[in-house]
Amino acid sequence: EVQLVESGGGLVQPGGSLRLSCVASGFTFSSYWMHWVRQAPGKGLVWVSRSDTVGSSTNYADSVKGRFTISRDNAKNTLYLQMNSLRAEDTAVYYCVRGFYWYYFDYWGQGTLVTVSS
Amino acid sequence: DIVMTQSPDSLAVSLGERATINCKSSQSVLYSSNNKNYLAWYQQKPGQPPKLLIYWASTRESGVPDRFSGSGSGTDFTLTISGLQTEDVAVYYCQQYYNTPSTFGQGTKLEIK
Repeated sequence: EVQLVESGGGLVQPGGSLRLSCVASGFTFSSYWMHWVRQAPGKGLVWVSRSDTVGSSTNYADSVKGRFTISRDNAKNTLYLQMNSLRAEDTAVYYCVRGFYWYYFDYWGQGTLVTVSS
Repeated sequence: DIVMTQSPDSLAVSLGERATINCKSSQSVLYSSNNKNYLAWYQQKPGQPPKLLIYWASTRESGVPDRFSGSGSGTDFTLTISGLQTEDVAVYYCQQYYNTPSTFGQGTKLEIK
């Protein structure tokens, strides 16, 4: 069974940093592109970032470019999202998502809530 | 960025009836070299993450009931739920993956009338 378990969310002040982690199981992690998608409270879905299978090709939404960094450790079956210079508008549930390449998203984690507030 | 616009924003349908949700993209998501529409549909129930229903505009994901179907091409797409059941109450999103960034529609909330 495919499982994606996020952690690392919490309350952080504006300008602060957080690192999210996502531990994958039930599939060959190193064979899949992985993504982060976020959802602000009561709002819709927004793609944030993606990584190819080895972490050599990454992309970001304009809203997070230069502040967020996606990475992965295939030996640990873990995807990361380093979030710096956080803003109030980054407040959201962050989902770790398995992708069919850079196309559609076939498995989603339960999400971790990030709240940016003073 | 490609803008995805869903209609209606909310919809109430009687049990057993048909629900139709529309999605329009600001530019075509049909890739001419393979004749595939780069469009997916997701279902999100309250308190849960989204679930993939349909990809390539009309291919049903494994395990998804056949009352869910997707159609359309180019810029106009439809998700149809035939024979609405109580467990279909959810918010439905379309997504284009033709261009980066991938973008979603604003969502359509489906309720029972």
